[in-house]
Order: sequence, then C-alpha cells, then structure tokens
Amino acid sequence: LAKTTQPISMDSYEGQEVNITCSHNNIATNDYITWYQQFPSQGPRFIIQGYKTKVTNEVASLFIPADRKSSTLSLPRVSLSDTAVYYCLVGGYPGYSSASKIIFGSGTRLSIRP
Amino acid sequence: NAGVTQTPKFQVLKTGQSMTLQCAQDMNHNSMYWYRQDPGMGLRLIYYSASEGTTDKGEVPNGYNVSRLNKREFSLRLESAAPSQTSVYFCASTKTSGGLKTGELFFGEGSRLTVL
Repeated sequence: LAKTTQPISMDSYEGQEVNITCSHNNIATNDYITWYQQFPSQGPRFIIQGYKTKVTNEVASLFIPADRKSSTLSLPRVSLSDTAVYYCLVGGYPGYSSASKIIFGSGTRLSIRP
Repeated sequence: NAGVTQTPKFQVLKTGQSMTLQCAQDMNHNSMYWYRQDPGMGLRLIYYSASEGTTDKGEVPNGYNVSRLNKREFSLRLESAAPSQTSVYFCASTKTSGGLKTGELFFGEGSRLTVL
C-alpha cells in the first residue's frame, strides 16, 4: 500500500483558495487518489477522486502531476464551514481483486478564520 | 434510505466486559469496514469484509472479532474490553465495482465507546 504524507495542519481565511498537497511516492500503476473530509463527531465524507491530470467537481479540484507522486486538493473560496480534517488515500481499492484495505492516514486539519 | 446505521451510539463498559457493535447498510454494498478513531487522531482500520462470508484483518485487529452476518450486517465484538479500546468506532461500506476505481466509502454516525 502506498504511504501518504500530508501537512498536519493548515490555516486560511474565508474567501481564499486553499491547496492541500499529499505526497505518495510509492503509488502503484493501478492506484487511484481519493480525498475525504471529516467534520467533528462525524464520519468522513468523500470529496473527490482522480487518477491523473485534473478532476473537478462542485466542491473541489484535484491536481495530479504526470509522475503521480503527489496530488493537490484545491478548495476554491473557502468558508468557515470548510473547517475540517482532510484525508488523502491511495491504493487498496475494491473491485480490482476483491476489496482490499482502505487505510486512512492522519489527515490535514484545516482551520478557516473569518 | 438510512445509509449506514450503527448501534449503539454511546456505550460505557467496565474493563473485562464484552459487547457487540452492530452495523447495517441498506445500499446493497458488497464491502464493509470497521474503523476506530482516537481523539485528535486519524482513522485506523480494524477489520473489513470484502463480501458476505469473508473477513480480513486491518491495521489494529487485536482485541476485536467481527462477523459478516449477511450482506447487510457487519458486527464488531469486544470480548474483554480494555481502557485502550476507548474510542469512536465507525462502520463504513462501499460497492465493489468491476473496474479499478474505488467505490465511495459511506460512513455511519459512529459509536462512542468508553471503557472504565
């Protein structure tokens, strides 16, 4: 399983764009990159997933360089409600050879200030 | 749809007592997972079940047992609770697809367990 490294915490202000980078040097050819968001006292919630280049949805964008050894979650114009822990996951995906381990790291604690 | 339902939501145990956390999903998902989350920490995988009838160890299986009762239900049992098992427990499920792309994990609301 590819190990991921993220900053422990980040601070930003309302209205700013926030970029959280995740390193995954040992990513395997078949691995996808997935990000989850977790609010206090709740289970994580899926944000976005990608394999290469750029993926965008209504919540965020995910940038993946050609070597796929890192990825960046971009949150446009954050608000106070974006204060949460963000997890980057790589590898261990169900469907390819039966369900495998889905491992969460420590995540990045994002704090948004007024 | 209820999604993933966990019971109980709160439980206090004494050291050495046993209990079972129940998890049920109504999304027809193949795979189910149990995680624990200690205060200020990330989630750690305890056990998972790829499909009905199969279970596998995760990162921290010691002190726990699981049962995949049927496709809907996946229970976690603490045979002899210890204070180190004080944590929030999350159950999750996902649909196993035929391709490489992971299915989205859906989580329950969590079960807060305190072992005195």
